[in-house]
Amino acid sequence: TQLLEQSPQFLSIQEGENLTVYCNSSSVFSSLQWYRQEPGEGPVLLVTVVTGGEVKKLKRLTFQFGDARKDSSLHITAAQPGDTGLYLCAGESGNQFYFGTGTSLTVIP
Amino acid sequence: NAGVTQTPKFQVLKTGQSMTLQCAQDMNHNSMYWYRQDPGMGLRLIYYSASEGTTDKGEVPNGYNVSRLNKREFSLRLESAAPSQTSVYFCASSELVITEAFFGQGTRLTVV
Repeated sequence: TQLLEQSPQFLSIQEGENLTVYCNSSSVFSSLQWYRQEPGEGPVLLVTVVTGGEVKKLKRLTFQFGDARKDSSLHITAAQPGDTGLYLCAGESGNQFYFGTGTSLTVIP
Repeated sequence: NAGVTQTPKFQVLKTGQSMTLQCAQDMNHNSMYWYRQDPGMGLRLIYYSASEGTTDKGEVPNGYNVSRLNKREFSLRLESAAPSQTSVYFCASSELVITEAFFGQGTRLTVV
């Protein structure tokens, strides 16, 4: 059962633009993680959010956990080519993490 | 610092053949995982081992078996490969089940 849906599935933008990626579910999660994966590599953790309504910033990346802990968003300001990759959210439920379907981001110089 | 090491990196199998994917971590982590990644499906958990000596099924365990050989090593076995098992397989480890997971570089498996 796929618990987490991400949108959009694909995103291609010009360098310097802003973007938001969404991670939605009908299930409540104890915590939620965001990973970035580059081609030929495994995912690498960007952030973990735990509290409903929590906002975390990592340089140009802003992560928000929904108040009801069912959804999350990732906002990137002034995207750069180095941001290119597959972004995955993962929600914790019942001592397991369930990964989202992924958003493939391409930032064009 | 190697982190999580998977072998092999690439493998082609014929339908019905068996093989074992190997995974080792050098971070003294308690928990280890096997995922498969398919286009548009994200990562799906096959099996995990919360601690040495225990293994549990994940979302998609059918057709697979695992062995937690010791704290460092966690192997995934396909007894009779099927084309539906064509995928990229990732091993991961974490200090505890709900903490940050560190992933290997993946094994690209094709079953023909």
